[in-house]
Amino acid sequence: EAGVAQSPRYKIIEKRQSVAFWCNPISGHATLYWYQQILGQGPKLLIQFQNNGVVDDSQLPKDRFSAERLKGVDSTLKIQPAKLEDSAVYLCASSSIGGGAGGHYNEQFFGPGTRLTVL
Amino acid sequence: RKEVEQDPGPFNVPEGATVAFNCTYSNSASQSFFWYRQDCRKEPKLLMSVYSSGNEDGRFTAQLNRASQYISLLIRDSKLSDSATYLCVVNTLGRDDKIIFGKGTRLHILP
Repeated sequence: EAGVAQSPRYKIIEKRQSVAFWCNPISGHATLYWYQQILGQGPKLLIQFQNNGVVDDSQLPKDRFSAERLKGVDSTLKIQPAKLEDSAVYLCASSSIGGGAGGHYNEQFFGPGTRLTVL
Repeated sequence: RKEVEQDPGPFNVPEGATVAFNCTYSNSASQSFFWYRQDCRKEPKLLMSVYSSGNEDGRFTAQLNRASQYISLLIRDSKLSDSATYLCVVNTLGRDDKIIFGKGTRLHILP
């Protein structure tokens, strides 16, 4: 079974530039997550999708970050404009069942991440 | 109090020893708990879920203490390959679903 795919693996940009990351979850997984992991810290959830609807985006800096999952499959995360503090690994994960409406969180499968450096 | 708190370590433990980590959480409504393992420059992977009755998988044992709001992970007969960062994950279901990862505990197994 193919895992979660992410691209690019590495990205270096200058501050104030824009960047986009792509994620393709495991086939059939309804729930998709985007995390930001800063060096030395645990992953921080940015946004969670259930199919193409947003379940939680409370920690997404909406003035500069946006994400979409239009067809309920793959997803893109965009940063515009980037700041120095956005340097981090951006992880995408998927699971077969997400929370909400009485559901249960199942195992999350993570992609390899995109390592972003903002200069 | 932080929502999910872990001792960052590092724990430097000789091979074959037993090591235990705790993770405390602040929201008493939290319902699902997990331990993930993350190797250096790799993505996290599920190690085990944590059930109310406690659960064991080989050398690994996870416990949940709802009264004191912590979960624990015990590793017996530690191997060099156990060296990694162990992340505690706490999920709260309901109107305000939240998934929170701890900062992780670094473990170094020494030969």
